[in-house]
Amino acid sequence: GAVVSQHPSRVICKSGTSVKIECRSLDFQATTMFWYRQFPKQSLMLMATSNEGSKATYEQGVEKDKFLINHASLTLSTLTVTSAHPEDSSFYICSARYRSGSGNTIYFGEGSWLTVV
Amino acid sequence: AQSVTQLDSHVSVSEGTPVLLRCNYSSSYSPSLFWYVQHPNKGLQLLLKYTSAATLVKGINGFEAEFKKSETSFHLTKPSAHMSDAAEYFCVVSPGFQKLVFGTGTRLLVSP
Repeated sequence: GAVVSQHPSRVICKSGTSVKIECRSLDFQATTMFWYRQFPKQSLMLMATSNEGSKATYEQGVEKDKFLINHASLTLSTLTVTSAHPEDSSFYICSARYRSGSGNTIYFGEGSWLTVV
Repeated sequence: AQSVTQLDSHVSVSEGTPVLLRCNYSSSYSPSLFWYVQHPNKGLQLLLKYTSAATLVKGINGFEAEFKKSETSFHLTKPSAHMSDAAEYFCVVSPGFQKLVFGTGTRLLVSP
């Protein structure tokens, strides 16, 4: 299957600083990527849909000024958590839509653990 | 609105016995349905997907799922569990591939 890579896999940052997480589609072009947040032992919560060359679409309740999403190329989307606080500590997962002759499939990255201290 | 219900939060089986993870969906039209697996502290891996082709879908690692429109179900099965199957499993419905709607997950526990 197609490969989606996230970096870093784990990051610790100080409260008040910003941290960037990258999501790359390694062997295909992805016009659409998605960012999720997952709390321990819970399901995934969609934060936003990242569209190449345009603004991201945020889900209700997600602060767009706090969670900045940039989809600058067909293989890279970034999530920047600005002015991070301990409550932002979570597992963040991205996914990318892969278009093929048999239809569309969503592939996920390995996730990124963010700890804000 | 589309939604999925995973009926069991935990399922425990012995190694070598069959696995059944239940999923019911709600959709106003023919949905796309997926099963994903998540091992601890890892991302999600696609097991299989249904997109209105064959109702019995075969996936990786011996898993399969059957789409039953009359029962609005998409249960995941495997004839014989392996220790490495222990993980969290998510049933997912997609309204037109713009979003994925996740179930709450089922944790599969496999004992020796």
